[in-house]
Amino acid sequence: VVMTQSPLSLTVTLGQPASISCRSSQSLEYEGSDYLTWLHQRPGQSPRRLIYKVSHRDSGVPDRFSGSGSGTDFTLTINRVEAEDVGVYYCLQGRHWPLTFGPGTKVVI
Amino acid sequence: QVQLGESGGGVVQPGTSLRLSCVVSGFIFKNYAMHWVRQAPGKGLEWVALIWNDGTKISYADSVKGRFKISRDSPQNTLYLEMNDLRDDDTAIYYCARDAGGSSPDYWGHGTLIAVSS
Repeated sequence: VVMTQSPLSLTVTLGQPASISCRSSQSLEYEGSDYLTWLHQRPGQSPRRLIYKVSHRDSGVPDRFSGSGSGTDFTLTINRVEAEDVGVYYCLQGRHWPLTFGPGTKVVI
Repeated sequence: QVQLGESGGGVVQPGTSLRLSCVVSGFIFKNYAMHWVRQAPGKGLEWVALIWNDGTKISYADSVKGRFKISRDSPQNTLYLEMNDLRDDDTAIYYCARDAGGSSPDYWGHGTLIAVSS
């Protein structure tokens, strides 16, 4: 399954919203759930999971992050961007083996 | 707290073998599937392999299939990645990660660097 993200680079303004799109070449739906994960990686750090199954936010993840979508089209939205949100955001499909990541979206302020 | 620690990285020559280890703590290892994910210098994340909690199902990326082997030792709380016939393009930071269900890795280690170079 090929995962695409857009844009690949995003310049954001503090306090403004931002969104990243992720598309899969096949549906990620299985038994009523879509297996799409969003991760964030800051420079020099390990990835951190933000959202799983499209819209379920991990514990400790600020509620300014939200995920939406279904089937093959998904979106990560940051409600009001903060300085700590810089880095690269990846989507990951877990529906089909082998798993595949999107190419990443680099977010800068 | 959940912790994962990779080891075994280093500089190796093409065609050689290496085994990575990932020691975990803070959770019941035998209950979780585990991943290996890698990241070449300056590049994005690439999923490498997955092993189910009981080891009955395993999957590999096409790029490593037939050369890499994932395994686990639950009593030792350790995940392994045996890498054979290493190539230049295997150069990367290798991360182990816990699967939280649905093939979604939640906790990640800090990674170990493999550099394949002659």
